[in-house]
Amino acid sequence: KAGVTQTPRYLIKTRGQQVTLSCSPISGHRSVSWYQQTPGQGLQFLFEYFSETQRNKGNFPGRFSGRQFSNSRSEMNVSTLELGDSALYLCASSLGTSGLSYEQYFGPGTRLTVT
Amino acid sequence: QQQVKQSPQSLIVQKGGIPIINCAYENTAFDYFPWYQQFPGKGPALLIAIRPDVSEKKEGRFTISFNKSAKQFSLHIMDSQPGDSATYFCAANLYGNKLVFGAGTILRVKS
Repeated sequence: KAGVTQTPRYLIKTRGQQVTLSCSPISGHRSVSWYQQTPGQGLQFLFEYFSETQRNKGNFPGRFSGRQFSNSRSEMNVSTLELGDSALYLCASSLGTSGLSYEQYFGPGTRLTVT
Repeated sequence: QQQVKQSPQSLIVQKGGIPIINCAYENTAFDYFPWYQQFPGKGPALLIAIRPDVSEKKEGRFTISFNKSAKQFSLHIMDSQPGDSATYFCAANLYGNKLVFGAGTILRVKS
């Protein structure tokens, strides 16, 4: 089975711009979660989507948004980029069905640099 | 209350040694506790996980010990190898698929 894929792998943007990152989960997985990883704050949860609905949300400003499509693929968008948004953005997929395994499998991440 | 505290920050052991990484939590709503291994330039890889109704779980050279009353859990790596040198994260699951991570432990296994 193919793993979680994320595109693009690297991205350089300028302050004030917006960016869209994409994630394709493992086949059959219906939950996609997004995390931000920085040296200072570590790994922090952004949000989770299940069956095209946002099910959980972390403590990030409204500039961070996401969506999920009917094929479970997900995108996250960051508007009005700030220098502090430079980070590795990780996507994780899981079966997501309540009562079953919570195992989350991560993709390789998208390294975003804001200049 | 949603924090997971991980220690030590870094650890150096000799090949064949048994590194132990510890984590503690406060929120009793956490219902699943995974450990992840991350190499530079890669995403975290799921190593092993445990639920709070189990006190110990072994998978290969990796063992999780879980103490529900103390709200602590730990990872033991048996017969550690240089290839195990990586950053290890403990995590706790909240409300479905929301993972709260520890700060990470950088492990170096000397050959």
